[in-house]
Amino acid sequence: EVQLVESGGGLVQPGGSLRLSCAASGFTFSSYWMHWVRQAPGKGLVWVSRINGAGNSVTYADSVKGRFTISRDNAKNTLYLQMNSLRAEDTAVYYCARGVVGAGTWFDPWGQGTLVTVSS
Amino acid sequence: DIQMTQSPSTLSASVGDRVTITCRASQSISNWLAWYQQKPGKAPKLLIYKASSLESGVPSRFSGSGSGTEFTLTISSLQPDDFATYYCQQYNYNSLSITFGQGTRLEIK
Repeated sequence: EVQLVESGGGLVQPGGSLRLSCAASGFTFSSYWMHWVRQAPGKGLVWVSRINGAGNSVTYADSVKGRFTISRDNAKNTLYLQMNSLRAEDTAVYYCARGVVGAGTWFDPWGQGTLVTVSS
Repeated sequence: DIQMTQSPSTLSASVGDRVTITCRASQSISNWLAWYQQKPGKAPKLLIYKASSLESGVPSRFSGSGSGTEFTLTISSLQPDDFATYYCQQYNYNSLSITFGQGTRLEIK
């Protein structure tokens, strides 16, 4: 079964840092682009970042560029999102998702999400 | 960036109804559009990709159509399990941009 499981969310103060992880199983992890998508409470879905299978091509949404870093460890089948200089507006459930075909693609499956709350 | 506009924002319907949700793109995206269903507290679930291709395991009462800038998701006969929020998503193969519509909440009348 193809599965994605996020972890690492929690409460952090403004200006703080957090690293999210996404453990993948059931597929050849290194063959797929992986993405992070977030959803603020009661709001819609917003794409955050993507990384190619080799880990040498990354893209970010303007809202997180320079503050977030996406990476992956293919030996551990794990995707990461390092989040620095966190702001209240970064409060959201963060989902990892597998890109089905290439860099610009639809997502399937999605992880269950991990909640990040930025508040003092 | 390509903007995606869904309508309506909220839709009230009854079991057995046929419903249609519309998604409009600010510029042509060919057929690079997906639809997702999301229930409260759950992750989105892929329903349709490439505008009209039904994801494996998704009931055939769901269908998608459209190309260019206007797309629709149709549920032919609403079932109790279908009451959820639906999102469209564009994926632009040229610019590699990815954006979602704001969502349509489908509620029981």
